Amino acid sequence: ETGVTQSPTHLIKTRGQQVTLRCSSQSGHNTVSWYQQALGQGPQFIFQYYREEENGRGNFPPRFSGLQFPNYSSELNVNALELDDSALYLCASSLPGSAGEQFFGPGTRLTVL
Amino acid sequence: TQLLEQSPQFLSIQEGENLTVYCNSSSVFSSLQWYRQEPGEGPVLLVTVVTGGEVKKLKRLTFQFGDARKDSSLHITAAQPGDTGLYLCFTGNQFYFGTGTSLTVIP
Repeated sequence: ETGVTQSPTHLIKTRGQQVTLRCSSQSGHNTVSWYQQALGQGPQFIFQYYREEENGRGNFPPRFSGLQFPNYSSELNVNALELDDSALYLCASSLPGSAGEQFFGPGTRLTVL
Repeated sequence: TQLLEQSPQFLSIQEGENLTVYCNSSSVFSSLQWYRQEPGEGPVLLVTVVTGGEVKKLKRLTFQFGDARKDSSLHITAAQPGDTGLYLCFTGNQFYFGTGTSLTVIP
């Protein structure tokens, strides 16, 4: 069974640029959630995708957008990057009806200069 | 205002000591989870508690869900350096993580 994978591992961008982060869900999991984690803090929920549709969204502006593909992999896109977007971005996959138990990837560390 | 407040925020103890981490809220939850996150990795699920008053044990870790399902605690007996990490409570289907407790166990 393959776990959750994310790419790239690290990324450096400059303010105003756009970035795409990728996630492959654990085998058999059709729900993907994205989180932003600042250093030393708990992750903050960005949004969740279920069967290619957005299924919930946290308090993030529209420049944070996402996609889910038929194979359940997912992308997180961030436009007009700001310095405060520097963080660890985590992807988690889960099964619906599993009490929200999520399996996380190792994350992508984004640095915005 | 955080939905889930954890205490303490930081904890540094000697190997062999016991400790308790708390996760508190004014809201009622249908379930609550605990995760541990090590540096450079994503959080890993430790346990899910669903019933008020429930106690679950995972080796040296004991998890309790409050009777009113508003709070939870994690107790570690005889802590080891491998227990070092960021401990996070999580509401599950409401997508909220707690503020986190960073534990360091010194050999």
